[in-house]
Amino acid sequence: GESVGLHLPTLSVQEGDNSIINCAYSNSASDYFIWYKQESGKGPQFIIDIRSNMDKRQGQRVTVLLNKTVKHLSLQIAATQPGDSAVYFCAEMRRALTFGSGTRLQVQP
Amino acid sequence: KAGVTQTPRYLIKTRGQQVTLSCSPISGHRSVSWYQQTPGQGLQFLFEYFSETQRNKGNFPGRFSGRQFSNSRSEMNVSTLELGDSALYLCASSLTSGRLTDTQYFGPGTRLTVL
Repeated sequence: GESVGLHLPTLSVQEGDNSIINCAYSNSASDYFIWYKQESGKGPQFIIDIRSNMDKRQGQRVTVLLNKTVKHLSLQIAATQPGDSAVYFCAEMRRALTFGSGTRLQVQP
Repeated sequence: KAGVTQTPRYLIKTRGQQVTLSCSPISGHRSVSWYQQTPGQGLQFLFEYFSETQRNKGNFPGRFSGRQFSNSRSEMNVSTLELGDSALYLCASSLTSGRLTDTQYFGPGTRLTVL
């Protein structure tokens, strides 16, 4: 069936390093993807989105890459900070948001 | 501009009871969606309301229901609570319904514990 998923449940990085969080999806007709960040005790927070007619989109310290050939997208966070520690979800929007399982990013000082 | 608000933030109920959760969307947003988040199943879509009408529905039993008022505020109800209904219930609002790129903004959630 249609789904999005994440590669690693946990990612640990050093403060100041770049982080890369990966996500795979199964439906080649998927058109719109969103990355959300969820901190402990809070709801998911929109980070960045990308449509299928794009390969790359940049925000402040974040970049999303979309590879439609292998149905893979990634979220890159530059110069990771302690405040980036959270669970990151990729989601696909069709009738509603379908979320992947999430990657917990741990930033080591 | 105030964000999405949800009340109450925490609830404890016993099996068989029913519960009503409330969501106030961002001012000007007319679509409200509800999601259930559990450690085992992750984030799952429950339903969406727009203009007081249910527009989309996820794969949940009929014990889960909702409604939307003319001011776009929404409530969801769970009847005959089961232990497995323990979860974080999240509400998200967006400007409209059916437009793919309308960003959904989430509230902090209501943590429901069923004993």
